[in-house]
Amino acid sequence: DAKTTQPNSMESNEEEPVHLPCNHSTISGTDYIHWYRQLPSQGPEYVIHGLTSNVNNRMASLAIAEDRKSSTLILHRATLRDAAVYYCILRHLYSGGGADGLTFGKGTHLIIQP
Amino acid sequence: DAMVIQNPRYQVTQFGKPVTLSCSQTLNHNVMYWYQQKSSQAPKLLFHYYDKDFNNEADTPDNFQSRRPNTSFCFLDIRSPGLGDAAMYLCATSRAGPVKNIQYFGAGTRLSVL
Repeated sequence: DAKTTQPNSMESNEEEPVHLPCNHSTISGTDYIHWYRQLPSQGPEYVIHGLTSNVNNRMASLAIAEDRKSSTLILHRATLRDAAVYYCILRHLYSGGGADGLTFGKGTHLIIQP
Repeated sequence: DAMVIQNPRYQVTQFGKPVTLSCSQTLNHNVMYWYQQKSSQAPKLLFHYYDKDFNNEADTPDNFQSRRPNTSFCFLDIRSPGLGDAAMYLCATSRAGPVKNIQYFGAGTRLSVL
């Protein structure tokens, strides 16, 4: 499976944008880039995913490099509630009939300062 | 409102005493997963059910079993818990299929082994 590399931790100030990087240099053409986050004492929750084009939803934006070897999760205006561990995960289009589990890396621990 | 419900949130058992953790879902998803998350580590997939088909991860110990009596419920049985099995156990569900396969997680059951 293609692997991802993320910084162990990042710190940002409340109400400022946050850019969380992820490197995936061995990504294949049919790997989707998914992001999940895990708030303290909760289960992970889906944030966003993409293949080639940049994506936006109500939670965040995903910027994907042209060569797809890296991506960046963007929180446009961080709040204290965004403090969590953010996981960048590659998922093959057809793995397990679309039912394979998630392979979590170590993720990035995002700290938000008030 | 809760979509993936895990009971109980906290479970204490004795060394070697069988324990069962439960998960229910209101999403009518055909895939249900169990993950183990030890302290300060990322979640690790134990196994999943795709409809009634059980899929075990290669490195999941035999001590861990699962049952899925119907679409809505899934159970994790630990036959003889050891101290090393103390962890957060996370249940997740998804609708199998390519592209998205977003997983929805419960809040987890934290298991302590005395």
